[in-house]
Amino acid sequence: DTAVSQTPKYLVTQMGNDKSIKCEQNLGHDTMYWYKQDSKKFLKIMFSYNNKELIINETVPNRFSPKSPDKAHLNLHINSLELGDSAVYFCASSPSGGARGPELFFGEGSRLTVL
Amino acid sequence: KQEVTQIPAALSVPEGENLVLNCSFTDSAIYNLQWFRQDPGKGLTSLLLIQSSQREQTSGRLNASLDKSSGRSTLYIAASQPGDSATYLCAVSRNYGQNFVFGPGTRLSVLP
Repeated sequence: DTAVSQTPKYLVTQMGNDKSIKCEQNLGHDTMYWYKQDSKKFLKIMFSYNNKELIINETVPNRFSPKSPDKAHLNLHINSLELGDSAVYFCASSPSGGARGPELFFGEGSRLTVL
Repeated sequence: KQEVTQIPAALSVPEGENLVLNCSFTDSAIYNLQWFRQDPGKGLTSLLLIQSSQREQTSGRLNASLDKSSGRSTLYIAASQPGDSATYLCAVSRNYGQNFVFGPGTRLSVLP
């Protein structure tokens, strides 16, 4: 059973289109994240949700809109795609309590290519 | 603002060598430090988690240490193998629900 799963794994689309990436975790975690990994492989936080509420929103264009229908799901919708949006988008989750403290579990990533 | 750096950026070693990867962070008020491995085109696999109250953690041939006061962590890999070739990233977290700040990674190549 995959703990954090993202779909689709690959996405190729034209500039100006709108696309969505879905993420689901079956770990029972309360916190979920979207990270972006650019061409230089640097991982940067985009959004974080705790129990369906937005708690971190870095300086991301408002063309990016996260949505958490429940604490096990965090989706990312991107409007009017631009060439610079091409990257790998990673979903992750973390518990909000417990003896080990915060700990990230990642999905496999969704590689977005904008043509 | 927390900043995380990793040295070296890339490392190439012959099989069998012991090696050390370094991670430094500017704000010592961390809760956890986590080491990950990323294979090309793949996601991140968690290797070790060190809580701020701990000094080190071990898993098989991997040993991670933490010196919180000096803002440093090291990942020691014993008897390296070609299968260890990957990018290794460290990340620190201040608290539950907070941002995990990542280092840029060290790209390791272990030559047969």
